[in-house]
Amino acid sequence: EAQVTQNPRYLITVTGKKLTVTCSQNMNHEYMSWYRQDPGLGLRQIYYSMNVEVTDKGDVPEGYKVSRKEKRNFPLILESPSPNQTSLYFCASSLSSPGSNEQFFGPGTRLTVL
Amino acid sequence: DAKTTQPPSMDCAEGRAANLPCNHSTISGNEYVYWYRQIHSQGPQYIIHGLKNNETNEMASLIITEDRKSSTLILPHATLRDTAVYYCIVSRSQGGSEKLVFGKGTKLTVNP
Repeated sequence: EAQVTQNPRYLITVTGKKLTVTCSQNMNHEYMSWYRQDPGLGLRQIYYSMNVEVTDKGDVPEGYKVSRKEKRNFPLILESPSPNQTSLYFCASSLSSPGSNEQFFGPGTRLTVL
Repeated sequence: DAKTTQPPSMDCAEGRAANLPCNHSTISGNEYVYWYRQIHSQGPQYIIHGLKNNETNEMASLIITEDRKSSTLILPHATLRDTAVYYCIVSRSQGGSEKLVFGKGTKLTVNP
Protein backbone atom coordinates (compact mmCIF):
# COMPACT_ATOMS: atom_id res chain seq x y z
CA GLU A 1 0.00 0.00 0.00
CA ALA A 2 1.33 3.42 -0.98
CA GLN A 3 1.79 5.44 2.17
CA VAL A 4 3.71 7.90 4.28
CA THR A 5 4.49 6.68 7.77
CA GLN A 6 5.55 8.71 10.78
CA ASN A 7 6.87 7.64 14.15
CA PRO A 8 6.11 8.16 16.89
CA ARG A 9 2.46 9.13 16.58
CA TYR A 10 2.40 10.67 20.03
CA LEU A 11 5.27 12.00 22.09
CA ILE A 12 5.53 13.85 25.38
CA THR A 13 8.97 15.14 26.23
CA VAL A 14 10.74 17.79 28.29
CA THR A 15 12.48 20.96 27.29
CA GLY A 16 15.96 20.45 25.90
CA LYS A 17 15.81 16.69 25.33
CA LYS A 18 16.77 16.00 21.73
CA LEU A 19 14.25 14.05 19.70
CA THR A 20 13.75 12.76 16.18
CA VAL A 21 10.49 12.16 14.37
CA THR A 22 10.91 9.74 11.52
CA CYS A 23 9.13 9.91 8.18
CA SER A 24 9.23 7.30 5.46
CA GLN A 25 7.49 6.92 2.11
CA ASN A 26 7.31 3.88 -0.17
CA MET A 27 6.32 5.61 -3.40
CA ASN A 28 9.79 6.57 -4.66
CA HIS A 29 8.84 10.25 -4.37
CA GLU A 30 11.47 12.89 -4.88
CA TYR A 31 9.81 15.69 -2.90
CA MET A 32 9.27 15.48 0.86
CA SER A 33 8.19 18.09 3.34
CA TRP A 34 7.43 18.70 7.01
CA TYR A 35 4.54 20.83 8.27
CA ARG A 36 3.35 21.84 11.68
CA GLN A 37 -0.27 22.61 12.47
CA ASP A 38 -1.35 24.86 15.29
CA PRO A 39 -4.85 26.08 16.20
CA GLY A 40 -5.72 29.23 14.30
CA LEU A 41 -2.51 29.13 12.25
CA GLY A 42 -3.19 26.29 9.85
CA LEU A 43 -0.44 24.17 8.32
CA ARG A 44 2.93 25.82 7.99
CA GLN A 45 5.88 24.34 6.17
CA ILE A 46 9.03 23.73 8.22
CA TYR A 47 11.48 22.21 5.75
CA TYR A 48 11.31 20.56 2.38
CA SER A 49 13.53 18.40 0.21
CA MET A 50 13.52 18.26 -3.57
CA ASN A 51 15.67 15.13 -3.66
CA VAL A 52 18.39 13.19 -1.82
CA GLU A 53 20.91 15.49 -0.12
CA VAL A 54 18.85 18.56 -1.13
CA THR A 55 16.97 20.30 1.68
CA ASP A 56 15.72 23.84 2.16
CA LYS A 57 13.92 25.97 4.70
CA GLY A 58 10.20 26.46 4.62
CA ASP A 59 8.30 29.16 6.43
CA VAL A 60 9.06 28.21 10.05
CA PRO A 61 12.44 26.39 10.18
CA GLU A 62 13.77 27.82 13.46
CA GLY A 63 14.53 25.13 16.02
CA TYR A 64 14.38 22.25 13.53
CA LYS A 65 16.82 20.27 11.43
CA VAL A 66 16.23 17.71 8.71
CA SER A 67 18.30 15.33 6.62
CA ARG A 68 17.69 13.43 3.39
CA LYS A 69 20.34 10.74 3.10
CA GLU A 70 17.98 8.29 1.41
CA LYS A 71 15.11 8.95 -0.93
CA ARG A 72 12.51 7.27 1.24
CA ASN A 73 13.37 8.87 4.61
CA PHE A 74 13.13 12.45 5.82
CA PRO A 75 13.57 12.69 9.61
CA LEU A 76 12.74 15.84 11.56
CA ILE A 77 15.17 16.62 14.35
CA LEU A 78 14.56 18.87 17.33
CA GLU A 79 17.98 19.40 18.92
CA SER A 80 16.65 21.26 21.97
CA PRO A 81 12.86 21.21 22.02
CA SER A 82 10.98 24.05 23.66
CA PRO A 83 7.31 24.35 24.69
CA ASN A 84 6.52 26.52 21.65
CA GLN A 85 7.26 23.47 19.49
CA THR A 86 4.28 21.68 20.98
CA SER A 87 2.25 21.00 17.87
CA LEU A 88 0.82 18.48 15.42
CA TYR A 89 3.41 17.56 12.81
CA PHE A 90 2.81 16.15 9.34
CA CYS A 91 5.23 14.70 6.86
CA ALA A 92 4.26 14.72 3.18
CA SER A 93 5.66 13.52 -0.11
CA SER A 94 4.97 13.92 -3.80
CA LEU A 95 6.41 12.67 -7.04
CA SER A 96 8.05 16.02 -7.66
CA SER A 97 7.14 19.56 -6.66
CA PRO A 98 3.71 19.76 -5.02
CA GLY A 99 2.56 22.56 -7.29
CA SER A 100 1.79 20.11 -10.04
CA ASN A 101 1.54 16.82 -8.19
CA GLU A 102 -0.69 15.29 -5.56
CA GLN A 103 0.89 15.45 -2.10
CA PHE A 104 0.51 12.46 0.21
CA PHE A 105 0.43 13.16 3.94
CA GLY A 106 1.36 10.99 6.87
CA PRO A 107 -0.99 10.39 9.81
CA GLY A 108 0.62 13.04 12.00
CA THR A 109 2.74 13.17 15.15
CA ARG A 110 1.34 14.95 18.16
CA LEU A 111 4.25 16.40 20.15
CA THR A 112 4.01 17.92 23.60
CA VAL A 113 7.06 19.64 25.09
CA LEU A 114 6.81 20.31 28.80
CA ASP B 1 1.67 34.95 -4.02
CA ALA B 2 -1.85 34.18 -5.05
CA LYS B 3 -4.01 33.96 -1.94
CA THR B 4 -7.36 32.28 -1.55
CA THR B 5 -10.53 33.30 0.27
CA GLN B 6 -12.99 30.71 1.53
CA PRO B 7 -16.03 30.93 3.80
CA PRO B 8 -15.08 29.71 7.27
CA SER B 9 -17.95 27.25 7.52
CA MET B 10 -20.77 25.65 5.56
CA ASP B 11 -23.50 23.13 6.21
CA CYS B 12 -24.94 20.56 3.85
CA ALA B 13 -27.64 17.91 4.14
CA GLU B 14 -26.60 14.31 3.68
CA GLY B 15 -27.22 13.14 0.13
CA ARG B 16 -27.27 16.63 -1.31
CA ALA B 17 -24.53 18.28 -3.32
CA ALA B 18 -22.01 20.35 -1.40
CA ASN B 19 -20.69 23.36 -3.31
CA LEU B 20 -17.63 24.92 -1.74
CA PRO B 21 -16.53 28.27 -3.21
CA CYS B 22 -13.05 29.73 -3.37
CA ASN B 23 -11.83 33.11 -4.58
CA HIS B 24 -8.30 33.46 -5.96
CA SER B 25 -8.43 36.74 -7.84
CA THR B 26 -4.63 37.19 -7.97
CA ILE B 27 -3.86 33.81 -9.50
CA SER B 28 -1.28 33.86 -12.25
CA GLY B 29 -1.46 31.98 -15.51
CA ASN B 30 0.70 29.01 -14.56
CA GLU B 31 -0.64 28.42 -11.06
CA TYR B 32 -2.82 25.43 -10.30
CA VAL B 33 -5.82 25.35 -8.00
CA TYR B 34 -5.70 22.48 -5.54
CA TRP B 35 -8.27 21.15 -3.10
CA TYR B 36 -7.38 19.09 -0.05
CA ARG B 37 -9.44 18.13 2.94
CA GLN B 38 -8.60 17.25 6.52
CA ILE B 39 -10.87 15.06 8.56
CA HIS B 40 -10.51 15.87 12.26
CA SER B 41 -6.74 15.83 12.95
CA GLN B 42 -5.78 13.32 10.28
CA GLY B 43 -3.29 14.13 7.56
CA PRO B 44 -4.72 16.25 4.73
CA GLN B 45 -6.05 14.29 1.80
CA TYR B 46 -5.77 15.33 -1.82
CA ILE B 47 -9.09 15.74 -3.62
CA ILE B 48 -8.54 17.31 -7.02
CA HIS B 49 -6.64 20.00 -8.88
CA GLY B 50 -6.94 21.96 -12.10
CA LEU B 51 -5.41 24.69 -14.19
CA LYS B 52 -8.03 26.05 -16.57
CA ASN B 53 -10.51 23.35 -17.45
CA ASN B 54 -13.12 21.81 -15.22
CA GLU B 55 -12.03 18.53 -13.70
CA THR B 56 -13.85 15.52 -12.31
CA ASN B 57 -12.68 12.44 -10.48
CA GLU B 58 -14.26 9.80 -8.29
CA MET B 59 -14.36 12.14 -5.31
CA ALA B 60 -15.44 15.50 -6.66
CA SER B 61 -15.73 17.99 -9.48
CA LEU B 62 -13.80 21.22 -9.79
CA ILE B 63 -15.34 24.13 -11.67
CA ILE B 64 -12.94 26.97 -12.51
CA THR B 65 -14.33 30.21 -13.90
CA GLU B 66 -13.13 31.35 -17.29
CA ASP B 67 -11.12 34.23 -15.80
CA ARG B 68 -9.69 31.77 -13.23
CA LYS B 69 -10.43 34.15 -10.38
CA SER B 70 -12.64 31.71 -8.55
CA SER B 71 -13.50 28.05 -8.37
CA THR B 72 -16.04 25.72 -6.82
CA LEU B 73 -15.51 22.25 -5.44
CA ILE B 74 -18.57 20.06 -5.80
CA LEU B 75 -19.17 16.93 -3.76
CA PRO B 76 -22.15 15.52 -5.68
CA HIS B 77 -23.73 13.43 -2.92
CA ALA B 78 -22.33 14.44 0.45
CA THR B 79 -22.14 11.83 3.20
CA LEU B 80 -21.47 12.19 6.92
CA ARG B 81 -17.89 11.08 6.25
CA ASP B 82 -17.36 14.18 4.12
CA THR B 83 -17.49 16.35 7.24
CA ALA B 84 -14.03 17.95 7.21
CA VAL B 85 -12.07 21.14 6.67
CA TYR B 86 -11.64 21.79 2.95
CA TYR B 87 -8.64 23.75 1.77
CA CYS B 88 -8.47 25.60 -1.52
CA ILE B 89 -4.83 26.23 -2.41
CA VAL B 90 -3.06 27.95 -5.23
CA SER B 91 0.41 26.63 -5.86
CA ARG B 92 3.15 29.19 -5.45
CA SER B 93 6.75 29.31 -6.50
CA GLN B 94 9.35 28.18 -3.99
CA GLY B 95 12.94 28.50 -5.06
CA GLY B 96 12.27 27.05 -8.46
CA SER B 97 9.68 24.54 -7.28
CA GLU B 98 6.13 25.12 -6.27
CA LYS B 99 4.77 24.80 -2.76
CA LEU B 100 1.34 24.63 -1.24
CA VAL B 101 0.29 27.28 1.26
CA PHE B 102 -2.62 26.14 3.40
CA GLY B 103 -5.07 28.77 4.60
CA LYS B 104 -7.80 28.26 7.17
CA GLY B 105 -10.15 26.46 4.82
CA THR B 106 -13.89 25.86 5.04
CA LYS B 107 -15.30 23.68 7.77
CA LEU B 108 -17.99 21.61 6.04
CA THR B 109 -20.51 19.90 8.26
CA VAL B 110 -22.75 17.31 6.63
CA ASN B 111 -25.94 16.87 8.64
CA PRO B 112 -28.15 13.76 8.67
